[in-house]
Amino acid sequence: RKEVEQDPGPFNVPEGATVAFNCTYSNSASQSFFWYRQDCRKEPKLLMSVYSSGNEDGRFTAQLNRASQYISLLIRDSKLSDSATYLCVVNFYNQGGKLIFGQGTELSVKP
Amino acid sequence: DAMVIQNPRYQVTQFGKPVTLSCSQTLNHNVMYWYQQKSSQAPKLLFHYYDKDFNNEADTPDNFQSRRPNTSFCFLDIRSPGLGDAAMYLCATSRTYTDTQYFGPGTRLTVL
Repeated sequence: RKEVEQDPGPFNVPEGATVAFNCTYSNSASQSFFWYRQDCRKEPKLLMSVYSSGNEDGRFTAQLNRASQYISLLIRDSKLSDSATYLCVVNFYNQGGKLIFGQGTELSVKP
Repeated sequence: DAMVIQNPRYQVTQFGKPVTLSCSQTLNHNVMYWYQQKSSQAPKLLFHYYDKDFNNEADTPDNFQSRRPNTSFCFLDIRSPGLGDAAMYLCATSRTYTDTQYFGPGTRLTVL
């Protein structure tokens, strides 16, 4: 079983749609959680951290359920510029801050 | 201004010919990481430095080495690149293990 698993995608949605990405992680000792965005042939960029209480940044909402070892990302009112691969990432502080990346879910927003 | 810089952005090498990739940072961060990302795969950590302390991942091949001569610079040496080493190599830095990691733009390595 992979340490971090995501919806395989790709997700093809029209502009304005709401889209949700899911992620599960296997190690209950995982310590912090993130969503990164990666554009084609570019480096990953931090989209947002994920907190137990849930957090929102504009059109983006992240949720964490430690009991279920589940992370989600909700994008409302999708824009063409949201097209990218979204990576679910877990940080293991006790392993040197090692980031474990999910496979990524590709999102394509169409006009 | 770029905070994590990688050079070159694109590197072409021949099978078996040693290659060195460079990473520099202006953030004065303690930790520097090297990740390998192959096409359609997630980035995978190769090793990291905390200051001068080198930490290798157990499954990183011996073909991959690293040097950190000072706080600002870190190098990835591939002693004998194989076709399977073609990938994007990403450098990242963080102040400590618990802080956000900032990625450089990556070096895309092609092995002929």
